[in-house]
Amino acid sequence: ETGVTQSPTHLIKTRGQQVTLRCSSQSGHNTVSWYQQALGQGPQFIFQYYREEENGRGNFPPRFSGLQFPNYSSELNVNALELDDSALYLCASSSVEELAGGPNTGELFFGEGSRLTVL
Amino acid sequence: GENVEQHPSTLSVQEGDSAVIKCTYSDSASNYFPWYKQELGKRPQLIIDIRSNVGEKKDQRIAVTLNKTAKHFSLHITETQPEDSAVYFCAASMGYSGYALNFGKGTSLLVTP
Repeated sequence: ETGVTQSPTHLIKTRGQQVTLRCSSQSGHNTVSWYQQALGQGPQFIFQYYREEENGRGNFPPRFSGLQFPNYSSELNVNALELDDSALYLCASSSVEELAGGPNTGELFFGEGSRLTVL
Repeated sequence: GENVEQHPSTLSVQEGDSAVIKCTYSDSASNYFPWYKQELGKRPQLIIDIRSNVGEKKDQRIAVTLNKTAKHFSLHITETQPEDSAVYFCAASMGYSGYALNFGKGTSLLVTP
C-alpha cells in the first residue's frame, strides 16, 4: 500500500458533464501530481501542485483544473467532458526536496486510480 | 513536447532468461529516470530508479543503466520468473526541477514457464 487513496474508483459520465476526482496524499508528502492513462498507453502528465500552487502543467486544455488543500489532499476537475477523456486518472504524491540546484522530487507514489468512462 | 521512446512494445521470454527494455529521451535537462511495473488493473509501482550522476544501479535481479550522452537508459531483468509478467514503463523527469515525469508507452512482458 502506498498510502495514496483516490475516489471514486469508477464512474460514468456523459459528454458535456463535469467531474471531480479526489486524492488523499501519503502522509508527509508535499507534492501531488495527476496523470491520465488511456488504455494501452503510458501515463500522461496533467499537472502538479506544490504547496497549494500549480507549478507545472502538461499538454492539457484549461478545462482540466485542480486544487491542492492545506492537508495535501487534491482534486482534479474536468469540465465539458469529451469522449476522449475516458481513461484511468492517477494521482501521485511525492516529497520535493529543496536542493541548492533547485527542487528535486523523490519517488512518486501512485494511487489505484479513478477510471472515468464518458459516454 | 519532449518524448520518451520505449522498445519493444511486447516481449516474451522463457522463465530463467533475461529481459531487456530500452528507452530514449529527448529532454537534455532530465535528471531522474524511474522504471514502473504495472499489473493489470493495478497502480504503477516503482521497481528501480536512477539519477543522472550515476551510470548503473542494481537491485537483486533488476538493473538499470544510463547513458546521458546518448540519452538512453535500459532495464535489465535477470532470471525472469512468471510473476515478472506485467507492463513496464520507463520515465524521464521533465526539466531541471525533476518534478514531473514523461512516460514511455510501455512494454508488455510475458514470462512463460
